[in-house]
Amino acid sequence: QVQLQESGPGLVKPSETLSLTCTVSGGSISSYYWTWIRQPPGKGLEWIGSIYYSGSTDYNPSLKSRVTISVDTSKNQFSLKLNSVTAADTAVYFCARHFKAMASFDYWGQGSLVTVSS
Amino acid sequence: EIVLTQSPGTLSLSPGERATLSCRASQSVSSSYLAWYQQKPGQAPRLLIYGASSRATGIPDRFSGSGSGTDFTLTISRLEPEDFAVYFCQQYGSSRTFGQGTKVEIK
Repeated sequence: QVQLQESGPGLVKPSETLSLTCTVSGGSISSYYWTWIRQPPGKGLEWIGSIYYSGSTDYNPSLKSRVTISVDTSKNQFSLKLNSVTAADTAVYFCARHFKAMASFDYWGQGSLVTVSS
Repeated sequence: EIVLTQSPGTLSLSPGERATLSCRASQSVSSSYLAWYQQKPGQAPRLLIYGASSRATGIPDRFSGSGSGTDFTLTISRLEPEDFAVYFCQQYGSSRTFGQGTKVEIK
């Protein structure tokens, strides 16, 4: 059974960079697409971006200028960096998997709350 | 960007009743690339339906999806206590966007 686990700081200062890592266990990161999604407290879901195990990326146009997603196949991990954060970036960040580019998200991590505050 | 509008915002029903949730897209969703997710408090969303009408692995047959183009529906034939949750639709045919959610609450 594939499992995903987010990790990273729970508190980030305004204007700094939010960094999260998703560790995949129970299966290989290869041959799949991996994505980041966020959910502000009490609100809906927003797709941030996706990466194929080979490294090709696809980002939400509204966040593209601030987002970098990378993959480390040797560690079965992929990562998110979001720079110049503000309070509006406070959210639960989920990592998830999809088996092809045009596919729904079939496995999700439990989510990691990141608060942007000084 | 394809905007998904879900209705109603909240659905108040009793266990055993039928729930009908709507998801309307601002433009046609190609190849019925539409999914439905269930989310309970403090949990990650769970995939229920993909391709507008295909049930994901392990999803009970009381959940069904239908629709094409711009109008999609999730139906729960008989609500079980564990079905009271928030439901999101998502399109993945043109970038990826989510609806704002429908809360199914106990009446």
